[in-house]
Amino acid sequence: KNEVEQSPQNLTAQEGEFITINCSYSVGISALHWLQQHPGGGIVSLFMLSSGKKKHGRLIATINIQEKHSSLHITASHPRDSAVYICADNNTGANSKLTFGKGITLSVRP
Amino acid sequence: DTAVSQTPKYLVTQMGNDKSIKCEQNLGHDTMYWYKQDSKKFLKIMFSYNNKELIINETVPNRFSPKSPDKAHLNLHINSLELGDSAVYFCASSHRDSKPSQYFGPGTRLLVL
Repeated sequence: KNEVEQSPQNLTAQEGEFITINCSYSVGISALHWLQQHPGGGIVSLFMLSSGKKKHGRLIATINIQEKHSSLHITASHPRDSAVYICADNNTGANSKLTFGKGITLSVRP
Repeated sequence: DTAVSQTPKYLVTQMGNDKSIKCEQNLGHDTMYWYKQDSKKFLKIMFSYNNKELIINETVPNRFSPKSPDKAHLNLHINSLELGDSAVYFCASSHRDSKPSQYFGPGTRLLVL
């Protein structure tokens, strides 16, 4: 059974801090997604990666296939980064079904 | 232009009613999905359609029936609504033949009274 684990459930940081959010998965995957859900409820796909590292602005996502682990880093964090960050993996089957982690609620204090 | 749109955005209804949620994508994607987000904010896939063909049907009550009239639309019909159906329902789309990156609709907040 594919499981996606994220911890801790809640994370609080001070503005400007470097933040790391971790995600572990249990079975082979074709890709891992990082999603952001703001308090308003909308979901935005931040990254999709199957190896190595991707960067977009202040966000960096890395994945270690051997260890079945991915991290999302936020540099120079800002209160507007406050959101729920969800990782989800695509299984290696014929379809692109996503299995989601429970998400981490990040609060960045000014 | 909205990439993935859902209607209605909010839906409040009585137990036992039948309701539909509509989803449309203008991205030219060939795969569409319905996800349910429960009160604990946990997302779970319900259905997936590829080129109007059902390819994923998770353990979902038969009261839920997806319908895909064409590749750009995936509607969700719910019969005999129950209190436990209250949740946020997200539609999403992706392209099957390339590295999938899913695009989500804004969600439909369903409250069953």
